[in-house]
Amino acid sequence: SYEVTQPSSVSVSPGQTASISCSGDNLGDTDVCWYQQKPGQSPVLVIYQETKRPSGIPERFSGSNSGNTATLTISGTQAMDEADYYCQAWDIGTAGVVFGGGTKLTVL
Amino acid sequence: EVQLVQSRAEVKKSGESLKISCRGSGYTFTTYWIGWVRQMPGKGLEWMGVIHPHDSDTRYSPSFRGQVIFSADKSISTAYLQWSSVRASDTAIYFCARTKTGTTSLSMDVWGQGTTVTVSS
Repeated sequence: SYEVTQPSSVSVSPGQTASISCSGDNLGDTDVCWYQQKPGQSPVLVIYQETKRPSGIPERFSGSNSGNTATLTISGTQAMDEADYYCQAWDIGTAGVVFGGGTKLTVL
Repeated sequence: EVQLVQSRAEVKKSGESLKISCRGSGYTFTTYWIGWVRQMPGKGLEWMGVIHPHDSDTRYSPSFRGQVIFSADKSISTAYLQWSSVRASDTAIYFCARTKTGTTSLSMDVWGQGTTVTVSS
């Protein structure tokens, strides 16, 4: 089955730009979403269809997808952005989706 | 307000049956899929599959096909996830989520609060 890989952790200083990658074979040819999950809470959709932001998601969240890598970028990172982030990719083989293992973003 | 409200936490013994629920409100329940996602203790998210409440069309992830059953009762805007015989390895938080699908896309834009299932052997 299709697999996507994320770094286990990323650190960023407040106000700086955080980039979280998601890698998979020909990932740029498929649909990618990103979810944020804070401890003890349900996931929240922050990016869908690779680059779109749902209503209520701050503009500092953006997404891109090309080649074998999708990237979630958080500009001007704030302490409230500290969370686990999961990428989700469409799996053509199963007509379903798979999640990456998640990336813990630390803002310090 | 669009909401999905899930049933309370469950504690079961290995071999027992279990059915948990997810009730939608604030939107037309039959116009979106409902997805199910598992999160084992301290681990990441796993997509289990989806059900369409309009006609109960279901799609299972290969990892969960045959292990669980999705169902829905559109008359009460509720989707269900059930096991005929739970195992200790089913211990996890289970989330339902409103799901939008395209030909080759899927996104989950509204999530329930999660149902914690604990199975003891």
